[in-house]
Amino acid sequence: SQQGEEDPQALSIQEGENATMNCSYKTSINNLQWYRQNSGRGLVHLILIRSNEREKHSGRLRVTLDTSKKSSSLLITASRAADTASYFCATDALISGNTPLVFGKGTRLSVIA
Amino acid sequence: KAGVTQTPRYLIKTRGQQVTLSCSPISGHRSVSWYQQTPGQGLQFLFEYFSETQRNKGNFPGRFSGRQFSNSRSEMNVSTLELGDSALYLCASSLSLAGGGYEQYFGPGTRLTVT
Repeated sequence: SQQGEEDPQALSIQEGENATMNCSYKTSINNLQWYRQNSGRGLVHLILIRSNEREKHSGRLRVTLDTSKKSSSLLITASRAADTASYFCATDALISGNTPLVFGKGTRLSVIA
Repeated sequence: KAGVTQTPRYLIKTRGQQVTLSCSPISGHRSVSWYQQTPGQGLQFLFEYFSETQRNKGNFPGRFSGRQFSNSRSEMNVSTLELGDSALYLCASSLSLAGGGYEQYFGPGTRLTVT
């Protein structure tokens, strides 16, 4: 079963606007990561936030993490048509040893020029 | 460094056949994970190999198997194919992070269609 659940499932915005996607998860985690997938291709790692961090920035990306609510958000500022893709959050559970990443079902973002 | 490569990129098989997919990780990465992606189920973890040993396994039937070679290249095999096995199969190699956790680097995937 999915650990992360993204919300909304789909989002359509105009170029230049900001896009916000949310992710909720169920168990305690080590890290939460966001990935991007262009249609039918492999996933590209965007950003990782550790469980003891609350906010992280990378270029036009801003990620927040609220472990008390078991939720994260990804904000893309000043969106571009090239940002059109599906975005996934992924978590690794807080247990000993390496645990597989568990992905949500993704948010499909369409940026209209 | 070259990225993760997967072969073949596209494959069409008929029910009952078997298939082998190949993945070459980024040089120096010892962990390789496999995922199945379908519109209905999303990304589902199949298994992970580290230093030629299966380290983690997802909830898939025994028809799905894998292995890893000494050069870290990995193969996955699906026997007795079913229509529901049609999916994008993604391979990822992992880089451990100082402080715990890891990042995954994905290949472009193999699109398998079962008819």
